[in-house]
Amino acid sequence: DGGITQSPKYLFRKEGQNVTLSCEQNLNHDAMYWYRQDPGQGLRLIYYSQIVNDFQKGDIAEGYSVSREKKESFPLTVTSAQKNPTAFYLCAGGFNQPQHFGDGTRLSIL
Amino acid sequence: QQQVKQSPQSLIVQKGGISIINCAYENTAFDYFPWYQQFPGKGPALLIAIRPDVSEKKEGRFTISFNKSAKQFSLHIMDSQPGDSATYFCAASDGGTSYGKLTFGQGTILTVHP
Repeated sequence: DGGITQSPKYLFRKEGQNVTLSCEQNLNHDAMYWYRQDPGQGLRLIYYSQIVNDFQKGDIAEGYSVSREKKESFPLTVTSAQKNPTAFYLCAGGFNQPQHFGDGTRLSIL
Repeated sequence: QQQVKQSPQSLIVQKGGISIINCAYENTAFDYFPWYQQFPGKGPALLIAIRPDVSEKKEGRFTISFNKSAKQFSLHIMDSQPGDSATYFCAASDGGTSYGKLTFGQGTILTVHP
């Protein structure tokens, strides 16, 4: 089935640890996006990529990093510099807009 | 200026009723206005979208109304069903310079009672 696949569904981070969230797509989308969702808030853009080997900071990029080595893959690393990482992370893809979302990764602090 | 304000925060409707969710924006450069539906534990799904060259767009029971002069747009769900119970987000973007960088509203939790 075509879609945006995020893994893992749940992730726990220890203090001082970096963790990486996976996002894979088989929809041939050029653009991919990472959003953060907090309770009672809308989605906030972390990073986006329009093309392989290129990515841009969104509104809340501090403490996060990404790579786009393949069109199909857009992993997000939550670094130890992100002091409040507990949230629901959503990856999306589209040709020029976020059209399809994955089912998210819920990150919590141990 | 990048904000999109959504109301109400929560909405309870009886089965068969009309659900109305409103959004307002400030940035006149916004030219794309999608609505997303999100069920618990899932990612949002694109429901319907409109561009400012039309005042209304209908897809099945879902209608977007757009008022460019007031900088407002709304989602109407006709004949609301319990299966419509979800969180709804409006969003807006300036595709020309922001290439799909959507600004989201805060979300509306819709509950449709049987």
